[in-house]
Amino acid sequence: KQEVTQIPAALSVPEGENLVLNCSFTDSAIYNLQWFRQDPGKGLTSLLLIQSSQREQTSGRLNASLDKSSGRSTLYIAASQPGDSATYLCAAWGGAGSYQLTFGKGTKLSVIP
Amino acid sequence: ETGVTQTPRHLVMGMTNKKSLKCEQHLGHNAMYWYKQSAKKPLELMFVYSLEERVENNSVPSRFSPECPNSSHLFLHLHTLQPEDSALYLCASSQDPSGRAYEQYFGPGTRLTVT
Repeated sequence: KQEVTQIPAALSVPEGENLVLNCSFTDSAIYNLQWFRQDPGKGLTSLLLIQSSQREQTSGRLNASLDKSSGRSTLYIAASQPGDSATYLCAAWGGAGSYQLTFGKGTKLSVIP
Repeated sequence: ETGVTQTPRHLVMGMTNKKSLKCEQHLGHNAMYWYKQSAKKPLELMFVYSLEERVENNSVPSRFSPECPNSSHLFLHLHTLQPEDSALYLCASSQDPSGRAYEQYFGPGTRLTVT
């Protein structure tokens, strides 16, 4: 059974810092990995999707990497802003024909002005 | 309306009530999902419908009953719930992932409180 772990559970940084959020998964036979953002009391917003054949994806100030062999993904946020404050979730797809997207508990990020 | 919408956004119900949550997607997708998000727990997949057929049911109690009348609409019928069922219920949609995994798009959720 796939398990996804996110460390740290919470992170507080001053505005302007670059930061890295970590995600690890136990079963390396994933099909892709998706990073989401969730604001308090709201639904999830998809940030980046990395297919298993890719090693990274970039969108604006966000860069996500995937290392299947080590069971790890990282989300890099450059020049953090107060508006980046949210909970960041990673989720791993079980594979083609699987409908199971397994989530981590998330990292709660606070960017201090 | 765009994306994935859910109604109601908030719901308070007693343990003997019957209510329904509604989800609608405007993205042309053909797979829809119900998730439960409880405090301090990861999101849990409850049900998946693909091409209007239920393809996954993750050991969810029978007091939760899903319905997918067409590819754009998904319901979750609730009856005789327990206080521990209080949570944020999220709906999502994607293209059918049986051939490859597609990005999932989420609605804003229904905050359910069972008293």
